[in-house]
Amino acid sequence: EAQVTQNPRYLITVTGKKLTVTCSQNMNHEYMSWYRQDPGLGLRQIYYSMNVEVTDKGDVPEGYKVSRKEKRNFPLILESPSPNQTSLYFCASSPGLGGWGLSGNTIYFGEGSWLTVV
Amino acid sequence: QKEVEQDPGPLSVPEGAIVSLNCTYSNSAFQYFMWYRQYSRKGPELLMYTYSSGNKEDGRFTAQVDKSSKYISLFIRDSQPSDSATYLCAMNEGKLIFGQGTELSVKP
Repeated sequence: EAQVTQNPRYLITVTGKKLTVTCSQNMNHEYMSWYRQDPGLGLRQIYYSMNVEVTDKGDVPEGYKVSRKEKRNFPLILESPSPNQTSLYFCASSPGLGGWGLSGNTIYFGEGSWLTVV
Repeated sequence: QKEVEQDPGPLSVPEGAIVSLNCTYSNSAFQYFMWYRQYSRKGPELLMYTYSSGNKEDGRFTAQVDKSSKYISLFIRDSQPSDSATYLCAMNEGKLIFGQGTELSVKP
């Protein structure tokens, strides 16, 4: 079954304590991305990766890091989380061929990770 | 001004009603238009996809794009309680831009 798997699904952490949200896809997709979803603001892209070792900033990259050492994995790292990073996070992947959503390429989203920073 | 505007709702309709969901946008370069459906506590899933202007129909769902007005719509006929979800429009011009989503509730 085609899947994007994120972990953890729910996390409460304290300000400044480093955390990593893992993301793995089993579809051999080239494109992967992280989004955050906040009320009134919709989905905003944090970082994306076009292939192994190729990553780039999205619209709201501040406070986040990513890495793409293997095609299937794309972890999101919060080095020093702050309360304004409390949000619902989604990992996504796509076969990509020129960009997100082009040529009918479906974007597959994970089920989301609810992160609360206190 | 946001590139994509979508009324967040919530929108509540009785079962069987015709639902109209809409987005406006400002960037005339957008060519690809999508509708995603997001159930509570789930990730978004692609519902409909259209390129440029025109209509596209898939079962009870019709997506409509009017590029001259920079306006897209999703119509749901014979709405069902299982259609209750948040519907997000999305548009692509190099990168994907999402609307904030409209929360729809279909009451039995």
